[in-house]
Amino acid sequence: EVQLLESGGGLVQPGGSLRLSCAASGFTFNNYVMSWVRQAPGKGLEWVSVISGSSGSTYYADSVKGRFTISRDYSKNTLFLQMNSLRAGDTALYYCAREAGDDSYMNVWGKGTAVTVSS
Amino acid sequence: QLVLTQSPSASASLGASVRLTCTLSSGHSTNAIAWYQQRPEKGPRYLMKVNSDGRHYRGDGVPDRFSGASSGAERYLTIFSLQSEDEADYYCQTWGTGFRVFGGGTKLTVL
Repeated sequence: EVQLLESGGGLVQPGGSLRLSCAASGFTFNNYVMSWVRQAPGKGLEWVSVISGSSGSTYYADSVKGRFTISRDYSKNTLFLQMNSLRAGDTALYYCAREAGDDSYMNVWGKGTAVTVSS
Repeated sequence: QLVLTQSPSASASLGASVRLTCTLSSGHSTNAIAWYQQRPEKGPRYLMKVNSDGRHYRGDGVPDRFSGASSGAERYLTIFSLQSEDEADYYCQTWGTGFRVFGGGTKLTVL
């Protein structure tokens, strides 16, 4: 069964850091582009970052550029999101998602991990 | 700047049909999009991809009550024979090199 399981969320003070993980199983992790998408309480979906399957090319939304870093560990089938200089506006449920092999839509989603930035 | 515009809300009666619209901003009318469903307190679920020519490709397990179409810069999701479980938020999404973007979502109420 194809699965994505996020972890690492929690409560952090403004200016702090957090590292999210997404454990992938049931598919060949190396072959797929992976994204992080977040959803603030009561708001819509917001794309955060994407990393390619093989080359490791990375891209970010303007709202997180320079503060967040996406990476992946091919040996552990795990996706990461290092979040630094966190702000109240980063408070959200963070989902990892697998993109389809033929195009950039997200056909597999995790259940999300909650991040709260507050003093 | 590529923007996807969705109406904030829609409603239709149980057993009826409803069409949701996602509009691509100027200059991007050939983009394919994807539709997602998010039921209350659940994560997003991929429904289908819709191409500019109207061809659509449903995800695994998505009932054929869900259909996609296109006209110009508009992409549609039509749900036939509405069921109570279809009450959810629906998002469209598109992409390009180095970016992904979601529409603001439409909250569908089944009356």
